[in-house]
Amino acid sequence: EVQLVESGGGLVQPGRSLRLSCAASGFTFTSYWMSWVRQAPGKGLEWVANIKQDGSEKYYVDSVKGRFTISRDNAKNSLYLQMNSLRAEDTAVYYCARASVLRFFGWFDPWGQGTLVTVSS
Amino acid sequence: QSVLTQPPSASGTPGQRVTISCSGSSSNIGSKYVYWYQQLPGTAPKLLIYKNNQRPSGVPDRFSGSKSGTSASLAISGLRSEDEADYYCAAWDDSLSVVFGGGTKLTVL
Repeated sequence: EVQLVESGGGLVQPGRSLRLSCAASGFTFTSYWMSWVRQAPGKGLEWVANIKQDGSEKYYVDSVKGRFTISRDNAKNSLYLQMNSLRAEDTAVYYCARASVLRFFGWFDPWGQGTLVTVSS
Repeated sequence: QSVLTQPPSASGTPGQRVTISCSGSSSNIGSKYVYWYQQLPGTAPKLLIYKNNQRPSGVPDRFSGSKSGTSASLAISGLRSEDEADYYCAAWDDSLSVVFGGGTKLTVL
């Protein structure tokens, strides 16, 4: 069974940092692009970042460029999101999602259960 | 303000057919595949339609997708109470970003 389990969320003050992790299992991790998607409380979905199978290509939504870094450790079947200079508007549930094998961006299947990040003083 | 435009709400009675629209532009829907997601209350989103009109295994054939020009639609036939959820469209954009619609809340009356 394909599983994605996020961790690392919590309450953090504005301007501080947080690192999210996503443990993947049940599929060949190295075959897939991986993504982070977030959802602010009561709001819609917002794509955050994509990373290629070998980590050589990364794409970010404009609002997090220069602050967030997506990375992966293929030896550990893990995906990460390093979030720096956090703002109140980054408050959201962050979902880890398996993307596609090829460059079919927008394809997310499956999704993890999500981890809540709250940025507040 | 989402790049893709969806109606905020839709409704139907059991057994009815409902459609949800998703409007974009030539930089996204007009030249890229469209994906649809279903998010049941309190749960993570689930892929419903990929590459405009393809259903993943396990998704009932009551769900169908279509695309024409810079717009796409999700149709649900034989509406059931368990279809009550939020539905999102998504596509890749020439700006090198994935764009989502704002979501449509479907109510089964």
